[in-house]
Amino acid sequence: DARVTQTPRDKVTEMGQEVTMRCQPILGHNTVFWYRQTMMQGLELLAYFRNRAPLDDSGMPKDRFSAEMPDATLATLKIQPSEPRDSAVYFCASGLAGTGYGYTFGSGTRLTVV
Amino acid sequence: SQQGEEDPQALSIQEGENATMNCSYKTSINNLQWYRQNSGRGLVHLILIRSNEREKHSGRLRVTLDTSKKSSSLLITASRAADTASYFCASATGGSYIPTFGRGTSLIVHP
Repeated sequence: DARVTQTPRDKVTEMGQEVTMRCQPILGHNTVFWYRQTMMQGLELLAYFRNRAPLDDSGMPKDRFSAEMPDATLATLKIQPSEPRDSAVYFCASGLAGTGYGYTFGSGTRLTVV
Repeated sequence: SQQGEEDPQALSIQEGENATMNCSYKTSINNLQWYRQNSGRGLVHLILIRSNEREKHSGRLRVTLDTSKKSSSLLITASRAADTASYFCASATGGSYIPTFGRGTSLIVHP
């Protein structure tokens, strides 16, 4: 089965450090999302790409977060500088918007900022 | 803010029983999706129902949609211990089809 691959699986970093999370979406999917999941806030949309173009990043703290899709096989989410409140599980998902199919999620990156 | 909210927040049943989870949403949707999450990792898509559909089945899953009440339900029949997970509804609105997730229902099925 095709899958969305996220790396790293787990990341522990010190406050102030830069963190980069990577996602390989499923080939042929035109839509990529980044979500963050915490106990307090649940699943929050951070960024959304359609055909590699960023369409919605309103849920993302712009001063420290950035999301890019340098090519169709790679999406990145970067936090600089990281803070303890960024500790969460970050999910990437891909799919074909507007079809009768849902989205495929990666296994997530569990980020701990100490 | 959450577009969808699941109810109940937690559900505990015995194996073999049916489990029903409900989802309410706020604005008009294109479709509504249900996902399952095990142990805080990787959501798995279960079923998608379009706004012009009222009911959909997939194996032991049955989803209904009532757009007049802005609500959906997920029924799992003859539950198994392996169904223990969190279940989320996600409503997609507008031309972007961005799914907005609720807080989820935590289902425990006791063997």
